[in-house]
Amino acid sequence: NAGVTQTPKFQVLKTGQSMTLQCAQDMNHEYMSWYRQDPGMGLRLIHYSVGAGITDQGEVPNGYNVSRSTTEDFPLRLLSAAPSQTSVYFCASSYVPGGRTEQYFGPGTRLTVT
Amino acid sequence: QKEVEQDPGPLSVPEGAIVSLNCTYSNSAFQYFMWYRQYSRKGPELLMYTYSSGNKEDGRFTAQVDKSSKYISLFIRDSQPSDSATYLCAMARAGNQFYFGTGTSLTVIP
Repeated sequence: NAGVTQTPKFQVLKTGQSMTLQCAQDMNHEYMSWYRQDPGMGLRLIHYSVGAGITDQGEVPNGYNVSRSTTEDFPLRLLSAAPSQTSVYFCASSYVPGGRTEQYFGPGTRLTVT
Repeated sequence: QKEVEQDPGPLSVPEGAIVSLNCTYSNSAFQYFMWYRQYSRKGPELLMYTYSSGNKEDGRFTAQVDKSSKYISLFIRDSQPSDSATYLCAMARAGNQFYFGTGTSLTVIP
């Protein structure tokens, strides 16, 4: 199993550009989520999905869109990039929401917005 | 008030020392408690997973949960330079999202 994979590893965007961060998992997990990690702020939940076709907002959803058309994939879209979105983005997955099973993380995408 | 509080450190110890990492939380509904290790420029890696109160041991690592005090700990025995990383605590209640601490940076000096 590859686990949770993310592409790209690094990205530089100009203010106002849009892009999609890709996330895929091969563990047949229903629950997938996106976090951003900033110094001193820890991991903050952006959006999550409890299954194909079902998504919801987390703590910091503004400026981001998600969709979940398959169990395996959960892309994160930046609509109009802003410098405040410079961060490291992690995708994670688990069998069910909450803590009944472990949550596994991808390697991250390091995004810089200039 | 944050759901989860964690001292960011940094913590620096000599090789072979016992390391104690801690988190406190405010939500008494949390039932699942996790510790993640994150090396520089990598994703968090699950280290320990416990349910409810009590201790769990895995090799040199012991996780403790004290629900009455809303306090969790991770102990690392015989610490090694390869243990140098940031340690994140996380917790959740069933069917709900995970809440993370900000992480404690640990350096083990050879």
